[in-house]
Amino acid sequence: TQLLEQSPQFLSIQEGENLTVYCNSSSVFSSLQWYRQEPGEGPVLLVTVVTGGEVKKLKRLTFQFGDARKDSSLHITAAQPGDTGLYLCAGFYGQNFVFGPGTRLSVLP
Amino acid sequence: GAVVSQHPSWVICKSGTSVKIECRSLDFQATTMFWYRQFPKQSLMLMATSNEGSKATYEQGVEKDKFLINHASLTLSTLTVTSAHPEDSSFYICSARFSGRAWNEQFFGPGTRLTVL
Repeated sequence: TQLLEQSPQFLSIQEGENLTVYCNSSSVFSSLQWYRQEPGEGPVLLVTVVTGGEVKKLKRLTFQFGDARKDSSLHITAAQPGDTGLYLCAGFYGQNFVFGPGTRLSVLP
Repeated sequence: GAVVSQHPSWVICKSGTSVKIECRSLDFQATTMFWYRQFPKQSLMLMATSNEGSKATYEQGVEKDKFLINHASLTLSTLTVTSAHPEDSSFYICSARFSGRAWNEQFFGPGTRLTVL
């Protein structure tokens, strides 16, 4: 079983729609990061959340860390084709980073 | 964010040859670097953790004699795929741990696409 679960696995939406993807665990993380990866490239760090209940905004992206630091969500407002990619969450657990399986987002024009 | 580079970005080689991939942290010192492998449409699979000045720690199922890792300096780690075979064809990505803030962050290189003929 994965330490971090992500849902949904796949998501295909029309441009302009809103969406939320989730990252869940039964473990507590000292920090959690969200990345976006485009085909043929390495993951790019979007945000790091550290404090339980923390909310961070990055333009149309809103990240929330659960109060218990076991889960996180990423909400995208008015999605654009440029948002297409694989969204990965990663939690710092023990001495290492643990990655979720990712949510593959496709935004159609 | 911090910058991590990889070289080469892609390589094609014949079966049986060895290929070396370099990973550099350009604007910070990284005592710990990580090597991942990614198959199409899948998430990252951690292969090994590379610690500066010491032996790498390999994940279960990863052959340490096949995937040689060297972390000779605080800004450079190398992965050598020895006697490569077609099944080693994959996207290899390195990352470096940045500990400059109160929490740990990980920054990734752009990846190296290896194709073994």
